[in-house]
Amino acid sequence: GQQVMQIPQYQHVQEGEDFTTYCNSSTTLSNIQWYKQRPGGHPVFLIQLVKSGEVKKQKRLTFQFGEAKKNSSLHITATQTTDVGTYFCAGPRGNAGNMLTFGGGTRLMVKP
Amino acid sequence: DARVTQTPRHKVTEMGQEVTMRCQPILGHNTVFWYRQTMMQGLELLAYFRNRAPLDDSGMPKDRFSAEMPDATLATLKIQPSEPRDSAVYFCASGLVPEQANYGYTFGSGTRLTVV
Repeated sequence: GQQVMQIPQYQHVQEGEDFTTYCNSSTTLSNIQWYKQRPGGHPVFLIQLVKSGEVKKQKRLTFQFGEAKKNSSLHITATQTTDVGTYFCAGPRGNAGNMLTFGGGTRLMVKP
Repeated sequence: DARVTQTPRHKVTEMGQEVTMRCQPILGHNTVFWYRQTMMQGLELLAYFRNRAPLDDSGMPKDRFSAEMPDATLATLKIQPSEPRDSAVYFCASGLVPEQANYGYTFGSGTRLTVV
């Protein structure tokens, strides 16, 4: 079945450094969503990408959707301690466009 | 802000007992999911409802788990009998399809279940 893989699993950075997490799917995705989960919290929707090669920005966060629509990335510029948490990508499962399969997540830790 | 409400927040129960988790989706949302989160397996989809109808529960162990939406304001996930391996955080999420493209799905705060 469809799998959504994320790397790395963990990332420690010094505050001010950049951070990138990568998401790869075994199948072509119609869209991809990104969520952030703070420690002890619940996933919170960040963004959805739909178009091949799409790039969207939210302040210091840049999201990309690959040309083949099988991979995506989230880049954070100049990390802050408020960026701490686990970042998940999620893609539709099979032909059920609204059922999400989540990647394993990348846990970001920021050292002040 | 509208919220998805889950109860209870924490539950400790003995193996073999029945556990019922409740979720109040956001008013007007037509889609409800149940997810289970563990360190080992991450976020696993258990059940999926659209307009209260169950569309997929293939991720749910059928022999002991059941999910229902008796009305638009309540979704339930029941485990009977519970086992220690069911210990996890159970999230409910709701959304409005197709508008979720802009707003995604809203997760509740979860029920942390411990089966001893």
